[in-house]
Amino acid sequence: DTEVTQTPKHLVMGMTNKKSLKCEQHMGHRAMYWYKQKAKKPPELMFVYSYEKLSINESVPSRFSPECPNSSLLNLHLHALQPEDSALYLCASSQDPGRQETQYFGPGTRLLVL
Amino acid sequence: SQQGEEDPQALSIQEGENATMNCSYKTSINNLQWYRQNSGRGLVHLILIRSNEREKHSGRLRVTLDTSKKSSSLLITASRAADTASYFCATAPFPYGNNRLAFGKGNQVVVIP
Repeated sequence: DTEVTQTPKHLVMGMTNKKSLKCEQHMGHRAMYWYKQKAKKPPELMFVYSYEKLSINESVPSRFSPECPNSSLLNLHLHALQPEDSALYLCASSQDPGRQETQYFGPGTRLLVL
Repeated sequence: SQQGEEDPQALSIQEGENATMNCSYKTSINNLQWYRQNSGRGLVHLILIRSNEREKHSGRLRVTLDTSKKSSSLLITASRAADTASYFCATAPFPYGNNRLAFGKGNQVVVIP
């Protein structure tokens, strides 16, 4: 299984809502990532989890809260988002955080904040 | 910060022609990777070239890396309509390894059947 799955595929939420994005991989990878991608722009790194611990937070606003409950699962909790947070949110994983390896991406969650 | 920066061009080519994209970066890297993205979906890894490699092939793909010029190129030979996509280079800056991939702007490639 070389797949990273993300749910939901689409999400519409108001600025007062709380929602969560979910990412799952069963490749035994020990590094997982969240990226944000605006239309016609490259992905921007948000968070990195290494061995289930948050290792990198790229100065992301606290209205985005990541969580790694276990080695296969990565969540992104959303609260009080702004319309400018509307984007494609991509999850990725790689086998070993310290090695030179490829990242496997999920299909993304397209988020619209009203 | 984003290191990999492709020449910001959109390519429109006929099926069967070759497509070349360039990428430049600013600091030392561990490796450089190329990804493809179809219509705003997930990225698919194409090829990884390490800093001590100069050229790498994978099927119809050829990647070169010139660390002295801090640049890379991706060549797709005998293009197909299915190659229509956005192509991103991503650098793994030294000494962070693979954790901090920085993506370039991307090139939109359209292959006309």
